Amino acid sequence: EAQVTQNPRYLITVTGKKLTVTCSQNMNHEYMSWYRQDPGLGLRQIYYSMNVEVTDKGDVPEGYKVSRKEKRNFPLILESPSPNQTSLYFCASSFSIGRLGELFFGSGTQLSVL
Amino acid sequence: QQQVKQSPQSLIVQKGGISIINCAYENTAFDYFPWYQQFPGKGPALLIAIRPDVSEKKEGRFTISFNKSAKQFSLHIMDSQPGDSATYFCAASMMGGGSNYKLTFGKGTLLTVNP
Repeated sequence: EAQVTQNPRYLITVTGKKLTVTCSQNMNHEYMSWYRQDPGLGLRQIYYSMNVEVTDKGDVPEGYKVSRKEKRNFPLILESPSPNQTSLYFCASSFSIGRLGELFFGSGTQLSVL
Repeated sequence: QQQVKQSPQSLIVQKGGISIINCAYENTAFDYFPWYQQFPGKGPALLIAIRPDVSEKKEGRFTISFNKSAKQFSLHIMDSQPGDSATYFCAASMMGGGSNYKLTFGKGTLLTVNP
């Protein structure tokens, strides 16, 4: 089954404790992206990757890091989480930049930073 | 700068009625306009999309109307059903990527269809 898999689904942590949210897709997609969803703000892009070893900032990159060492994986790293990073996070992928309007989303990771 | 403005924030419709959600964009370089549907506890999923060379696209009960001169597009859900209750996001992108390698989303509309 074609899918984008995120882990964990739920995460509660404390301020300053480094964490990683994993994302993996099995569709051989070139483009991958991370979004955060907050009430009243919709979906905002954090980082994106056009291909292996090619990443760039989205609209709200502060406090986040990403890496793309393999085509299928695109982890999101919070080096020192803060309460304002409490949010619902989505990983998404598309076949290529030319089709980035056709995103496949994971099921989301609900993060709470205390 | 919000490049895609979506309204209303929430919408309540009776079963069998027509749901209409509107979006307006600013960047004339956008050339692909998808709508995403999100159920509670799930990620958004592509519902229907349109390119600016057509004024309307219909898939089943879902129709996108597009007005290029007004820079507006809308989603119409005919014969709305309780199972359509979800959050709907409009979005816009440049198919070639350009300098904007992202899908820009509206803030979403929570649709409730009462039985």
